[in-house]
Amino acid sequence: DTGVSQDPRHKITKRGQNVTFRCDPISEHNRLYWYRQTLGQGPEFLTYFQNEAQLEKSRLLSDRFSAERPKGSFSTLEIQRTEQGDSAMYLCASSLRGRETQYFGPGTRLLVL
Amino acid sequence: QKEVEQDPGPLSVPEGAIVSLNCTYSNSAFQYFMWYRQYSRKGPELLMYTYSSGNKEDGRFTAQVDKSSKYISLFIRDSQPSDSATYLCAADRGSTLGRLYFGRGTQLTVWP
Repeated sequence: DTGVSQDPRHKITKRGQNVTFRCDPISEHNRLYWYRQTLGQGPEFLTYFQNEAQLEKSRLLSDRFSAERPKGSFSTLEIQRTEQGDSAMYLCASSLRGRETQYFGPGTRLLVL
Repeated sequence: QKEVEQDPGPLSVPEGAIVSLNCTYSNSAFQYFMWYRQYSRKGPELLMYTYSSGNKEDGRFTAQVDKSSKYISLFIRDSQPSDSATYLCAADRGSTLGRLYFGRGTQLTVWP
């Protein structure tokens, strides 16, 4: 399977704990995006990388959120001191620069108790 | 006001019906328009992608963009129960800028 992969697929955590998600994009794609989707809503943009550079961040990305893409390959999204409002599906997508089509992974479903 | 508006439905149609899904947008800078299909608890799957105004057809699916009225449509012909999913419209300002702007999705059920 050469699509976007995400790990873990599900995560249950207690409020106040830190969590980290991983995304592996399609191998030749140099752009990687993170979105958040809550029930009944469309995905909302969080941040994106071109290679290893983080080029844009949404104001949704509070200082408790941090994303990295070392060496321009996989990416991690960390949420510190989780809150119940962080419960959502976290989606990763990738694309090739110059092509607007973004391909999504299966998502990581986070539940904060 | 969200930049892309979409009626969430739900929409329920019999098998074989023609389905029309619609979105409106407010930002004149949008140039690229997509439709994604999302099954329950799965990631969005790209269905159709169009640039600027016009129509694009792919099998039973037709995407239509009218930039003068800022209106995006997806038509599904001969709908099948396997088409039951949430359909998300999305828009993009261009390749130098990253994000997609999504509507909230329309939940479609096609019953046999």
